[in-house]
Amino acid sequence: AQSVTQPDIHITVSEGASLELRCNYSYGATPYLFWYVQSPGQGLQLLLKYFSGDTLVQGIKGFEAEFKRSQSSFNLRKPSVHWSDAAEYFCAVGLKTSYDKVIFGPGTSLSVIP
Amino acid sequence: NAGVTQTPKFQVLKTGQSMTLQCAQDMNHEYMSWYRQDPGMGLRLIHYSVGAGITDQGEVPNGYNVSRSTTEDFPLRLLSAAPSQTSVYFCASSLIGGGNTEAFFGQGTRLTVV
Repeated sequence: AQSVTQPDIHITVSEGASLELRCNYSYGATPYLFWYVQSPGQGLQLLLKYFSGDTLVQGIKGFEAEFKRSQSSFNLRKPSVHWSDAAEYFCAVGLKTSYDKVIFGPGTSLSVIP
Repeated sequence: NAGVTQTPKFQVLKTGQSMTLQCAQDMNHEYMSWYRQDPGMGLRLIHYSVGAGITDQGEVPNGYNVSRSTTEDFPLRLLSAAPSQTSVYFCASSLIGGGNTEAFFGQGTRLTVV
């Protein structure tokens, strides 16, 4: 069965430090890949997406993600975290065959220490 | 731009009561969906619609009903509320269905069933 895992439930980093959030998926083919961010009390907002081509994709707010086919991973990175990045981050995979198959991971909660 | 609008933002129901969560989008999107968000479980799809007059079940449809009489509106009905339906509900829309399009989310409805 298809699935998305985010191994880290909660991460705390200091402001200015680098960040990497992990995402792994289980699917027989290469899916469409997304990262969404949810600020407190808000809906989800798209950070970036990967459909094909260059495996390093750039998103909004200085985030980037790298697709690694061999590892079935799509990790999110940011070189220098700002206090405003504190939020919940969701990895999602969209499957290419069905309308209803956008699967979200459980989320990683990010705290930023001043 | 209003985007996706959900009402109400907060609701408390007694067990057995019914209610309707409203969702409207002004982007002329064909695809709309309802998710529930529970701690540690990410977002799970309840129902979705690929266009006016067409709806289908997602991953967790039991206890919920939907209809889509217009492109803009996609209400979610709780038929007889149960404590297990305490959750945060998100409505989302996208231009087309499938796994390869960005979803736009409402701000959510926090529902408590007592």
